[in-house]
Amino acid sequence: DTGVSQNPRHKITKRGQNVTFRCDPISEHNRLYWYRQTLGQGPEFLTYFQNEAQLEKSRLLSDRFSAERPKGSFSTLEIQRTEQGDSAMYLCASSLGTGEAFFGQGTRLTVV
Amino acid sequence: SQKIEQNSEALNIQEGKTATLTCNYTNYSPAYLQWYRQDPGRGPVFLLLIRENEKEKRKERLKVTFDTTLKQSLFHITASQPADSATYLCALAMGSGNTGKLIFGQGTTLQVKP
Repeated sequence: DTGVSQNPRHKITKRGQNVTFRCDPISEHNRLYWYRQTLGQGPEFLTYFQNEAQLEKSRLLSDRFSAERPKGSFSTLEIQRTEQGDSAMYLCASSLGTGEAFFGQGTRLTVV
Repeated sequence: SQKIEQNSEALNIQEGKTATLTCNYTNYSPAYLQWYRQDPGRGPVFLLLIRENEKEKRKERLKVTFDTTLKQSLFHITASQPADSATYLCALAMGSGNTGKLIFGQGTTLQVKP
């Protein structure tokens, strides 16, 4: 296992379109997190899964955002009706219990 | 809500010197605090974790201290090298019902000049 994998690495979309990102965590990790990062800022927490259950969602996650983790393996983050303010780096991280989190390389979303 | 402050100004130091980065937080103390390194266009990479009952942690040229009275952590890189140039992020994980969710500071960019 080479670590947390995110696809695509880059996505350019027109405003109003839907986009979906995928995250493949480290296989034995039961916890999976999504964060969003804008330029010059640290990552902001979006949502958290323990196995397949989504246990916490940030208030940053509007109704246009939805995340899933079917069967407790990979996860998807979908943004519907994208807005320019959604442009950011979307980071996925996984961990085994609490403690050290392993991050993917992120998906950079640009909404034009 | 919890706030984490890191020096937003870049830190420029000469190769071989010790770099010291500061992380201050408000409100209640976290269960543990972590430091990450982030290079441009890449995800953060874990460096060190220190728990609330620990004062200091070391790993090779890295040292982290944690003062719950001052609500502050210091991150030191000794004998710094140009390859240490990156943004360093401080992150807190909260106590009760700890999910492992991290709250990050905005990061401090370190530039080590040869």
